[in-house]
This record gives sequence, structure tokens and C-alpha cells, in this order.
Amino acid sequence: QKEVEQNSGPLSVPEGAIASLNCTYSDRVSQSFFWYRQYSGKSPELIMSIYSNGDKEDGRFTAQLNKASQYVSLLIRDSQPSDSATYLCAVNRGSARQLTFGSGTQLTVLP
Amino acid sequence: EAQVTQNPRYLITVTGKKLTVTCSQNMNHEYMSWYRQDPGLGLRQIYYSMNVEVTDKGDVPEGYKVSRKEKRNFPLILESPSPNQTSLYFCASRKNGLDYGYTFGSGTRLTVV
Repeated sequence: QKEVEQNSGPLSVPEGAIASLNCTYSDRVSQSFFWYRQYSGKSPELIMSIYSNGDKEDGRFTAQLNKASQYVSLLIRDSQPSDSATYLCAVNRGSARQLTFGSGTQLTVLP
Repeated sequence: EAQVTQNPRYLITVTGKKLTVTCSQNMNHEYMSWYRQDPGLGLRQIYYSMNVEVTDKGDVPEGYKVSRKEKRNFPLILESPSPNQTSLYFCASRKNGLDYGYTFGSGTRLTVV
């Protein structure tokens, strides 16, 4: 079992819709969670972090964490074509080194 | 501007020829890390450093070396590159604390022939 799993996609949504990206992790001691966006040929950029159960909102983005289910998600409201990218989930397992990434979900927002 | 700077951006080399990829950050971050990114495998951690003179292995350290003599610099050394080290490499840094994510450099695309 992979430590961090994401659906690879591709996921397509129409402009203005809500895009929902999901991530599961295997290590119950994981303490903090991150969502990154990576455009093709570019480096990952941090969108949001979350470490408490529940929702965390930042503009059009909402991160949701459920530690009991070992599940973290990212919602993008009012999706725009500029949101088309690969979204990476990353999990910090609490040790000094381990920020482990999922393989990413490719999102396409259709005009 | 706060940033992580990697050099070179592109590098083609031959098997066995030692090379160094440099990484520098200007944010006074304690943690630095090297990742490689390969299609279908995602980002995999090679080495990380918690502070000056403190380094440790990540998930795929074989064939790589690092050093952290200064807080701002964290070079990646390939003593004898092989074709299976052809990849996209990212250096990253972050502040100490579980809530902080990594800031990534622009990447180095390495090809070993």
C-alpha cells in the first residue's frame, strides 16, 4: 500500500464548477497535510496546509481533513481554466524528514 | 525576493562523470531537502537536512551525497551518475515546525547518457 494515494485522473470539470480532489494516507501518526499545485514543467507551489480535523478555507480553496478515515481533500470552487494543473497531496508523518507526496491528480478545467 | 535557487536548470552528462547540483535559499530556513520526480512515481525524497551539519537519508538516497556546511546551501552530489538517475530534481526548504510546507526551487532536469 502506498503511503499517500491519489487518483491520477485526469479529472475534468467545466469552468465555474467545484473540483474535488481526494487523498488517502496510510500512517495514522501523520500530523500535517499539504496541497501543492504543479503546472506542467514548473515546480510545485504550496496552496494550503491543514493539521486539524475539519475544514480550512482560503479564498476559492477548501481543505478538508478526517483523521479517523485517514482522508484529506481539496475543493476548488468556481474553477477557472488557470486552475488546470496537477495537484499533489503531501503528508508529514511527524518525523523530521518525512514529507511524503502522492503521485498527483491532473485537473483540467474546461472553458 | 524569497526563493530557492538551483543550478543548473538543465544538465546532460555521461555515465560516471561526477557532478554537483547547487541549491541555495535566502529565507533562513532550517530544513532543506532534495526530491526527484519521475513520471508515475511522483516526488521522492532523496536526502534532507534539519540544520547545518545535520543530514539524513530520504526514501531513495542510493547514488547521491549531500552536505550542509552553511545554512543557506545544500548541494546534491552524484559521484558516479548512471542513466537511472535521469530525472527532474527539486531542492526545497522550509521553516522548522510541522505546519510549514516546503518552498521548491525551479528544478534541474538531469539526463545521464
